[in-house]
Amino acid sequence: AAGVIQSPRHLIKEKRETATLKCYPIPRHDTVYWYQQGPGQDPQFLISFYEKMQSDKGSIPDRFSAQQFSDYHSELNMSSLELGDSALYFCASRRDETGELFFGEGSRLTVL
Amino acid sequence: DAKTTQPNSMESNEEEPVHLPCNHSTISGTDYIHWYRQLPSQGPEYVIHGLTSNVNNRMASLAIAEDRKSSTLILHRATLRDAAVYYCILMRGSQGNLIFGKGTKLSVKP
Repeated sequence: AAGVIQSPRHLIKEKRETATLKCYPIPRHDTVYWYQQGPGQDPQFLISFYEKMQSDKGSIPDRFSAQQFSDYHSELNMSSLELGDSALYFCASRRDETGELFFGEGSRLTVL
Repeated sequence: DAKTTQPNSMESNEEEPVHLPCNHSTISGTDYIHWYRQLPSQGPEYVIHGLTSNVNNRMASLAIAEDRKSSTLILHRATLRDAAVYYCILMRGSQGNLIFGKGTKLSVKP
């Protein structure tokens, strides 16, 4: 069965650079979530989208933005990168009526 | 979002049952009880969820207290592959967000 696809899997950037992470949800899933997990930390909710509209916002820095496109894929844009942005970024998707979230394998961002 | 409390860590022997407790005394009537687990270097994985009644699936069982202020995830026969951090999370309604707290790190000994 198709899973949530995230790209790139690994990304290395310098401070103050910009990074974009992509997420392709499971077909027919209409809700997408982004989470950030720092080293040794629990996943932190950043933002979610339902039917291409932002549905909820968590602890997402102002330097970050995200959107969901007409094909339901989502992108997380991060600007003015800081060392503290180094983390695993997970995307998850859900078909509205089931309540179960499916997570991707994550994108590991390293900021040098 | 209502808070959950779990032990920091637990140990189990392989092929023995494991009972992972979770307290959620401030749960509201529309909160679903979700369990996810995260293996090292992997994304969280859904385990089970329920509202009021006990639930069983191929991975585990979920026992929910009658007052819903606590629940227990039951792994019937632990394997080495079950070693992970287990998160008990309350989701508001069927469309809420998952807000992760501090989970229980389960170690399984051969």
